[in-house]
Amino acid sequence: GENVEQHPSTLSVQEGDSAVIKCTYSDSASNYFPWYKQELGKRPQLIIDIRSNVGEKKDQRIAVTLNKTAKHFSLHITETQPEDSAVYFCAASIHSSASKIIFGSGTRLSIRP
Amino acid sequence: DAMVIQNPRYQVTQFGKPVTLSCSQTLNHNVMYWYQQKSSQAPKLLFHYYDKDFNNEADTPDNFQSRRPNTSFCFLDIRSPGLGDAAMYLCATSSGGGTDTQYFGPGTRLTVL
Repeated sequence: GENVEQHPSTLSVQEGDSAVIKCTYSDSASNYFPWYKQELGKRPQLIIDIRSNVGEKKDQRIAVTLNKTAKHFSLHITETQPEDSAVYFCAASIHSSASKIIFGSGTRLSIRP
Repeated sequence: DAMVIQNPRYQVTQFGKPVTLSCSQTLNHNVMYWYQQKSSQAPKLLFHYYDKDFNNEADTPDNFQSRRPNTSFCFLDIRSPGLGDAAMYLCATSSGGGTDTQYFGPGTRLTVL
């Protein structure tokens, strides 16, 4: 079955700097890669996703890149702000009628003022 | 305009006393999921329904059961809660019609005394 590894487990960056979180997946059939942000005590919220037919997607300060050959995908946050502090989960799934998503272990991002 | 609703938000039960958590959705989605999330960990899928078709994860304990009486509602029953079952329980939905995005409810935090 699919296995998703996520690094680093914790990340601290200076406000205004960029943050990068990296994930690898094992099943080459995976074709959907969402990223969720979870603030303390709250639900995971989808912040961006990418499908296997594109290599990069951007939404304001957030971008995701996908390398299908290497089975890597990454989240990039530029110009970080205090409200970016949260736990971020990558995930992977195989498109099907009742898709299960396999989560990475999470990255706790802290933004230093 | 809440889309995935979970009740109660906080539940306290005694060791061994059955408890039921509920989830409802206004999205008319085909798929409903139940996850268990413990502190600093990724959500762990317990089971999911595609319409009335129940799909159990291989490592979900028998102590956990689920019911989906109609499209809108899904219940998680814990027959004999142990101390190790204390966690956040998240419900999620997806359309299951080719779009894999999952929408999470706010969660129910279960405490076992």
